[in-house]
Amino acid sequence: SQKIEQNSEALNIQEGKTATLTCNYTNYSPAYLQWYRQDPGRGPVFLLLIRENEKEKRKERLKVTFDTTLKQSLFHITASQPADSATYLCARGNSGYSTLTFGKGTMLLVSP
Amino acid sequence: GAVVSQHPSRVICKSGTSVKIECRSLDFQATTMFWYRQFPKQSLMLMATSNEGSKATYEQGVEKDKFLINHASLTLSTLTVTSAHPEDSSFYICSARDFQGGETQYFGPGTRLLVL
Repeated sequence: SQKIEQNSEALNIQEGKTATLTCNYTNYSPAYLQWYRQDPGRGPVFLLLIRENEKEKRKERLKVTFDTTLKQSLFHITASQPADSATYLCARGNSGYSTLTFGKGTMLLVSP
Repeated sequence: GAVVSQHPSRVICKSGTSVKIECRSLDFQATTMFWYRQFPKQSLMLMATSNEGSKATYEQGVEKDKFLINHASLTLSTLTVTSAHPEDSSFYICSARDFQGGETQYFGPGTRLLVL
């Protein structure tokens, strides 16, 4: 089966540092990976999409990479702020308009 | 843009009753909407894919007679949990994909269902 694995342990970092979250997938490469932010008791909010043929994508303080050799995507938040504290979800899509398979998410805690 | 609303945000009901949850795309048309369920500290689990004007496609293990889905227009899908039981208590979230293309799903704020 196609799985998305994210580190279940919370990531604690200091304000101003770069947070790096990992998403690993199994089986064949998805056509794209999406990253979402989810706050407690709320629905996910879309952040970034990266396609299989893209190595890196950036949006403001966010950067996502896609490594088909390692079967991994890394999600970076530079100059992290306490407001970035949330759970970050990785999801894979296998083709243009397929359904998404989500990981369990990794909680990020940014301390002042 | 790309705002999805859900109503109600929270519902408490007695065992055996039915509950309807609405999902609306506010500023775009969505031919496809999705319904997810999320238990505490778990990932979003897709329940069904809802296409406007046609029957929903349910994921394996999801009872279609228990979770009725109707996608009557390009901006509205409803999920009805029939004869709800305590084990149906969960966080239900819908998402919608823009009719004009793109793979991104835009999520609603979720509905917390508690069945007593």
